[in-house]
Amino acid sequence: EPEVTQTPSHQVTQMGQEVILRCVPISNHLYFYWYRQILGQKVEFLVSFYNNEISEKSEIFDDQFSVERPDGSNFTLKIRSTKLEDSAMYFCASKGGEGSYEQYFGPGTRLTVT
Amino acid sequence: GDSVTQMEGPVTLSEEAFLTINCTYTATGYPSLFWYVQYPGEGLQLLLKATKADDKGSNKGFEATYRKETTSFHLEKGSVQVSDSAVYFCALTSLNTGFQKLVFGTGTRLLVSP
Repeated sequence: EPEVTQTPSHQVTQMGQEVILRCVPISNHLYFYWYRQILGQKVEFLVSFYNNEISEKSEIFDDQFSVERPDGSNFTLKIRSTKLEDSAMYFCASKGGEGSYEQYFGPGTRLTVT
Repeated sequence: GDSVTQMEGPVTLSEEAFLTINCTYTATGYPSLFWYVQYPGEGLQLLLKATKADDKGSNKGFEATYRKETTSFHLEKGSVQVSDSAVYFCALTSLNTGFQKLVFGTGTRLLVSP
């Protein structure tokens, strides 16, 4: 069964450094998402991406964040200058075309900012 | 805006007990409703869904019925197993966001003892 994959599974970085989190969505899906989950809290939407552009972003997704689909398979989240409060589990998700409602999630990348 | 309210956890049950995890929502129109499950150390897995009023989603012995009159989508299972121990998230997507982003509840931790 197709699945969403994410790398790395765990990333440790120092405050102020740039990180890139990588995702490979399900191959025929058209909509892509990033969510985050701070330890013990609810899962929060960050951004949605369709047709090579951001379709919606949350207040969390400020200028420090960016997303890219550099080729036909990868979907990346970049944090330009990490802060301690960026420490969280980051989940990538993908969804098929119009008329599909289910989002399928990857296993997540745990980001620890020290 | 849209929101999801779940019962607080943890819910502690003995094996073979009946499970109910309450979920109510606020959304415009007819949202699509989901239950996701997060096993320890893993990502989010779609457990079941319902896209219109009175629909019943079911999977792996779990069920939830979309009740528009009470704006609820309670998760039930007749006989839980130790392997069901996980965190369960109720979520919705709605016309407000073009059925794009998922709005999650806070999650309910289920602990099943032998």
